[in-house]
Amino acid sequence: TQLLEQSPQFLSIQEGENLTVYCNSSSVFSSLQWYRQEPGEGPVLLVTVVTGGEVKKLKRLTFQFGDARKDSSLHITAAQPGDTGLYLCAGAQVGLMEYGNKLVFGAGTILRVKS
Amino acid sequence: GAGVSQSPSNKVTEKGKDVELRCDPISGHTALYWYRQRLGQGLEFLIYFQGNSAPDKSGLPSDRFSAERTGESVSTLTIQRTQQEDSAVYLCASSQYNSNEQFFGPGTRLTVL
Repeated sequence: TQLLEQSPQFLSIQEGENLTVYCNSSSVFSSLQWYRQEPGEGPVLLVTVVTGGEVKKLKRLTFQFGDARKDSSLHITAAQPGDTGLYLCAGAQVGLMEYGNKLVFGAGTILRVKS
Repeated sequence: GAGVSQSPSNKVTEKGKDVELRCDPISGHTALYWYRQRLGQGLEFLIYFQGNSAPDKSGLPSDRFSAERTGESVSTLTIQRTQQEDSAVYLCASSQYNSNEQFFGPGTRLTVL
């Protein structure tokens, strides 16, 4: 069973601070995705990283995929109250397409940014 | 609508009753996934459909859980003889074949009293 460990579980910071969320596994994933989920809604995809060592930037968010494709990080610069939400990492299994892109999710990081 | 829709948005039921949860995927998306999310936790995979066949049912927690899909459209997740531990948000997602990107619906919040 592939597992993704996400840390920290909860983060409460002041507006303007920087933060990093980590996602680690002993398994290799074909790709890794980061989602943001707000209360009462489904997760919304932020980014997909595919290549080991890949770095993607989305405004103030920087995503990195580990060289071995086993871990990833999300860094937010100068956090804003609008960044508040549940951040989930999800790894797509390496395997046959007939089993689909079944995603293995981390437990999530609840981020609260105070103004 | 352009997105994945789910109904009902909320369902409260008594222990032992059966419930049906519905998912309408994005038109043209051949893949459909069901997940369960317990309070404060990540998503737990339940079942995957490619068209109307389910090659991966490995996540269904017990034989009280079943799902079906009509062609490449609507899917129904059925929970028989509900238990309190079934209380959770049930999320549906769809994607194009061979795509990593899954689009999620808003979920159905199930509460079993």
